[in-house]
Formats: sequence, C-alpha cells, structure tokens
Amino acid sequence: DTEVTQTPKHLVMGMTNKKSLKCEQHMGHRAMYWYKQKAKKPPELMFVYSYEKLSINESVPSRFSPECPNSSLLNLHLHALQPEDSALYLCASSPTTLAGEQYFGPGTRLTVT
Amino acid sequence: SQELEQSPQSLIVQEGKNLTINCTSSKTLYGLYWYKQKYGEGLIFLMMLQKGGEEKSHEKITAKLDEKKQQSSLHITASQPSHAGIYLCGAARVNAGGTSYGKLTFGQGTILTVHP
Repeated sequence: DTEVTQTPKHLVMGMTNKKSLKCEQHMGHRAMYWYKQKAKKPPELMFVYSYEKLSINESVPSRFSPECPNSSLLNLHLHALQPEDSALYLCASSPTTLAGEQYFGPGTRLTVT
Repeated sequence: SQELEQSPQSLIVQEGKNLTINCTSSKTLYGLYWYKQKYGEGLIFLMMLQKGGEEKSHEKITAKLDEKKQQSSLHITASQPSHAGIYLCGAARVNAGGTSYGKLTFGQGTILTVHP
C-alpha cells in the first residue's frame, strides 16, 4: 500500500474560522511533510516531521500549526487565515528524511474567503 | 539554495511521438526525483536517481542523471494521451556532509500535452 490519504478534498473557510487538514499513511514511513502549492507553481515545503518530531519549519506563519499525533497521522491546524493562503495543500511521506522517495497525497484544495 | 531549471516549459506532441524533458541544476545533485502531476491533484512519484550516469526506466519513461550530476533528462517513448500532465523534477537538499534534510525543491515544471 503506497497510498497517502488527505481529508477533506476541498475546504472553504472564512478568515475567522478554525479548521484542520488531515493526512494519513500506513506505509510505516517515519517522515511526513506538508507542502503548499499555488496555481501554476511547484510545491513549496512548509514543515517536515521526522519520527513524530518537527524537524523543519520553513518560516511558516503561526496561523498554520502542524501536529503529528502518531507515526501515521499528520494534521495541519488553520486559524485566522488570509485569502492569499488559498492553495492546494499537499501531504507527503517517506521512509526517513535521510533517503527515499516521497509519496504524495491527493491534496486539499483550500479557499479562504 | 538549489535551483532547478526545466526545459521546455511546455510541450505539445502528437500521440506516438518521442519527447525529452530536461532538468538542469546549478549545484551538484545528490538525489534527483521525477514526479508527474495532473492539474489540481497530488504528485505521482516516477523515479529517483542518485548516482552519476544512472539510468532508470518504467514502462515507456526513461530518466538519466548525467555523469557530472548536474543534469537529468526524462524521455518518453511513443507518447500516449495518458502521459499528459505536468512533469516536475525535484532535488534533495543536503548538508555539508551530504546528508539529506528531506527537503525537496522543485523545478517549475513542464506541461505536456499529447494530442490523439
């Protein structure tokens, strides 16, 4: 099973809302990632978790709060977002951060109104 | 930071034609990844290359990493409409000791259209 799942597929939220994106993998991978992708641009890394600990934060605003409850799950908590945060949010996993290809989920299309 | 340039930016071919997409790095590549993406969807892993001169194939897609490890090419033989999408090359960022952080930086992508 090389599948990474993400929910929801689409999300529309107001600037005062609090919502969460979820990501799950059952490949036994110990590294998980959040990427943000704007239209017609490549994905940009936001966070890296290694063995359930945050190892990289690419200077992401605090209105994005990641959480890794266990080795299979990764959440991204959203609060007080801006319209420019509208994008496709992609989750990925890999065996470790040291090596190995990253497997991506289908993404959550987020629209902030 | 690792800079990757892909060429061409877009490509339109007739079904059955061969095509090549290039990815050039400004720095030595320690790991080069090829992905395919349909618009608005996730990335599909195609191949990973690590050694200079390495070549890998999957079905009708072949990727190579040149000996100097600063350029990679993706070649599709006898293209089909199912090959259409955005092809992205990604490079692993490494520290001074050559250990990967797990961070991938991507080229801008090549949009491939295959006409039946």
